[in-house]
Amino acid sequence: AQTVTQSQPEMSVQEAETVTLSCTYDTSESDYYLFWYKQPPSRQMILVIRQEAYKQQNATENRFSVNFQKAAKSFSLKISDSQLGDAAMYFCAYRSGSGNTPLVFGKGTRLSVIA
Amino acid sequence: NAGVTQTPKFRILKIGQSMTLQCAQDMNHNYMYWYRQDPGMGLKLIYYSVGAGITDKGEVPNGYNVSRSTTEDFPLRLELAAPSQTSVYFCASSYASGTFSYEQYFGPGTRLTVT
Repeated sequence: AQTVTQSQPEMSVQEAETVTLSCTYDTSESDYYLFWYKQPPSRQMILVIRQEAYKQQNATENRFSVNFQKAAKSFSLKISDSQLGDAAMYFCAYRSGSGNTPLVFGKGTRLSVIA
Repeated sequence: NAGVTQTPKFRILKIGQSMTLQCAQDMNHNYMYWYRQDPGMGLKLIYYSVGAGITDKGEVPNGYNVSRSTTEDFPLRLELAAPSQTSVYFCASSYASGTFSYEQYFGPGTRLTVT
């Protein structure tokens, strides 16, 4: 079974600075998808960024980018120019590429942004 | 589009009571999911459905039942509620066609307390 590990329960960053959240995963599959979800205090799960395993290029979405290291099974999220609104729980998630299988989540990293 | 809606938002149950958590989506998604999120943890899959009339167990199905009589609705039934079922419950939906699948959209969650 696939597993997702987020080794940083909590992180903090100064406003306007850059922070990197770590995620590693374990799988024997070659075709899969990786995601970062943001969960603010409202509890709503918001998709931040998505990476297809077959793509070598790292995904980017405005201030959010990933460092996808397939051989190392690592998928970190970099947030640039951090804003107060970035404060939230961040979850790394994995999904098999075969069919529309459910997501496997890590335990999350709580990010605080200091003004 | 309302997206994925869940009712109720909050509920307190006594041990042994039963209830149904409602979930509906208006995006014509064929896949629907139920997750639970325990404090300090990521989301774990309870049940999912690939279409009307078809359901399957996830990682933590014990104590729950589901049905999918329509594409839009995917209720989760708790029979004989136990304190271990105190959690936040998320419903999600997505669309898949062939081997390609799209993002999962999440509802706002239901906070359930069993005392």
